[in-house]
Amino acid sequence: AQKITQTQPGMFVQEKEAVTLDCTYDTSDQSYGLFWYKQPSSGEMIFLIYQGSYDEQNATEGRYSLNFQKARKSANLVISASQLGDSAMYFCAMREVKGSGTASKLTFGTGTRLQVTL
Amino acid sequence: SQTIHQWPATLVQPVGSPLSLECTVEGTSNPNLYWYRQAAGRGLQLLFYSVGIGQISSEVPQNLSASRPQDRQFILSSKKLLLSDSGFYLCAWSFPTHSGANVLTFGAGSRLTVL
Repeated sequence: AQKITQTQPGMFVQEKEAVTLDCTYDTSDQSYGLFWYKQPSSGEMIFLIYQGSYDEQNATEGRYSLNFQKARKSANLVISASQLGDSAMYFCAMREVKGSGTASKLTFGTGTRLQVTL
Repeated sequence: SQTIHQWPATLVQPVGSPLSLECTVEGTSNPNLYWYRQAAGRGLQLLFYSVGIGQISSEVPQNLSASRPQDRQFILSSKKLLLSDSGFYLCAWSFPTHSGANVLTFGAGSRLTVL
């Protein structure tokens, strides 16, 4: 069974600094996808970034980048130049492609609460 | 563009009462639809998903059921709510593709409190 581990319940970062949110995963499949979502206090889940297991380069989306280390089974999210609006819960999630058909059945971690300070 | 609507946003129900949460998607056809639940301070747990009208897959045995009466409508129901059903319920949709980059797009969520 797949599993996502986020070991940092909470993180603080100063405005304009970079921060890394940790995520490790466990799967026996060779084909899988890794996702990061942001959940502000409003509750809505906002997609940030995706990394495929066969992608050789780390994914980047604006200020977000994913530090993918396949051998270590880690997929850490790096947020550069933090802004006050980045304060939120961040969830790492994984989709195993095998056996899922067209359904995107994501397994989520427990999340990391990021607080950006002045 | 596609949009997803979910309602009601907030619901307070007594134990033993029925439940109906609705979700609709606009701007696409034959989407895959999902219901997730988030307990307080926890991650999301997949409850049900559907790849077509009348096709429901249950991931977790529980006091809830789901139905998809129309292509872009997904309903979460219960006949008798339990205290443990309290939580934040999120509907989501995705394109029906085998691609690994099959992003889930979520609705705004429904916060259910069972008293």
